[in-house]
Amino acid sequence: GAGVSQSPSNKVTEKGKDVELRCDPISGHTALYWYRQSLGQGLEFLIYFQGNSAPDKSGLPSDRFSAERTGGSVSTLTIQRTQQEDSAVYLCASSLVGARNRLFNEQFFGPGTRLTVL
Amino acid sequence: QKEVEQDPGPLSVPEGAIVSLNCTYSNSAFQYFMWYRQYSRKGPELLMYTYSSGNKEDGRFTAQVDKSSKYISLFIRDSQPSDSATYLCAMKIGANSKLTFGKGITLSVRP
Repeated sequence: GAGVSQSPSNKVTEKGKDVELRCDPISGHTALYWYRQSLGQGLEFLIYFQGNSAPDKSGLPSDRFSAERTGGSVSTLTIQRTQQEDSAVYLCASSLVGARNRLFNEQFFGPGTRLTVL
Repeated sequence: QKEVEQDPGPLSVPEGAIVSLNCTYSNSAFQYFMWYRQYSRKGPELLMYTYSSGNKEDGRFTAQVDKSSKYISLFIRDSQPSDSATYLCAMKIGANSKLTFGKGITLSVRP
């Protein structure tokens, strides 16, 4: 079946502009995660959506970053007033959520959006 | 200090070598331990996972977790050029928790 898809695959923007990154999770996956991968910091968690629960925003680096998930499916990550340090690969992942807490739920990653802020 | 530390490498080995990749961590609440493989310009893909301590073997790959030492390892036997990729260790507290990653190590297997 289809995996996690992200668009655009590449985005070049000027400092100060806003950008929107899109993630289409695997159908039926109720959990959705955003991560950021940069050379200096590695792969870091940004935000987590699970069903109708309030999202876990604990990884967002500043209030310029926000994300929403509409209808429990597609998610959009928005970065306002982009800065050069925002340049990174933004990865989305989705997973099933099991009823038993010990059940391992694999996170499937998309190919990422490579953001370059000039 | 980051929660998960991984030797950044890079690492270059000849084909057929045994490769050992390691991570240490500081958060004793981690229960799930994973190794992801990432090829250039692709998203990470899960290679192996272990719940709590112990060993797990899958073909040429063996994952080890020592919770008492807060140390995890991935061994690759009979390494192949197709194993050339970036390997990331990752951990999480609960089944649905966020992943905390090491920085990753780039492995090159020379023919």
